[in-house]
Amino acid sequence: SQTIHQWPATLVQPVGSPLSLECTVEGTSNPNLYWYRQAAGRGLQLLFYSVGIGQISSEVPQNLSASRPQDRQFILSSKKLLLSDSGFYLCAWETGRSGRRTDTQYFGPGTRLTVL
Amino acid sequence: GENVEQHPSTLSVQEGDSAVIKCTYSDSASNYFPWYKQELGKRPQLIIDIRSNVGEKKDQRIAVTLNKTAKHFSLHITETQPEDSAVYFCAASKGGSSASKIIFGSGTRLSIRP
Repeated sequence: SQTIHQWPATLVQPVGSPLSLECTVEGTSNPNLYWYRQAAGRGLQLLFYSVGIGQISSEVPQNLSASRPQDRQFILSSKKLLLSDSGFYLCAWETGRSGRRTDTQYFGPGTRLTVL
Repeated sequence: GENVEQHPSTLSVQEGDSAVIKCTYSDSASNYFPWYKQELGKRPQLIIDIRSNVGEKKDQRIAVTLNKTAKHFSLHITETQPEDSAVYFCAASKGGSSASKIIFGSGTRLSIRP
């Protein structure tokens, strides 16, 4: 069965510091991968998605970037964090083009980021 | 682009009663409507979904209805229990051959009173 991992689980970083969050998926090949951010008590905002290695689509202009160096690895980065980057970062996967598409996304456990 | 409106933002019901959460969407091309449940500090979990070729779907105490003409869909939870307390998100997606960009509603915080 498929599983999705995120790390770290929690992170406290000072303003202006860099960021790297990692997401990996097991048990599937060629997944579509997504990064969402959830501010405290709010909904989910789509940040980036990827349909394959090196293919990144950005949804919201911001201080963040994403990369997909391997098929089942998705990384969210920032060179300099802002206070407004605080939130709950969720990675999600769904079956990609090479499989039977269902449009259903499954979320990882999330990373809670606090920028001070 | 797609916009999903969800209400109410908070809902409190007596244990054993029913709860209804309603959503509207703007893009008539949307064809997939999942519902997620998020407990405090946890990830959103898919609880039920419906596609545009179906008007209603049930799974035990949970049901979802879809009105394509009016562009609204609803979640119904019957015989509510304490473990139903959580934030519920509706969502809409056009799907597609490559990727599905899901647009989420703002969430409903459901509280079950003992």
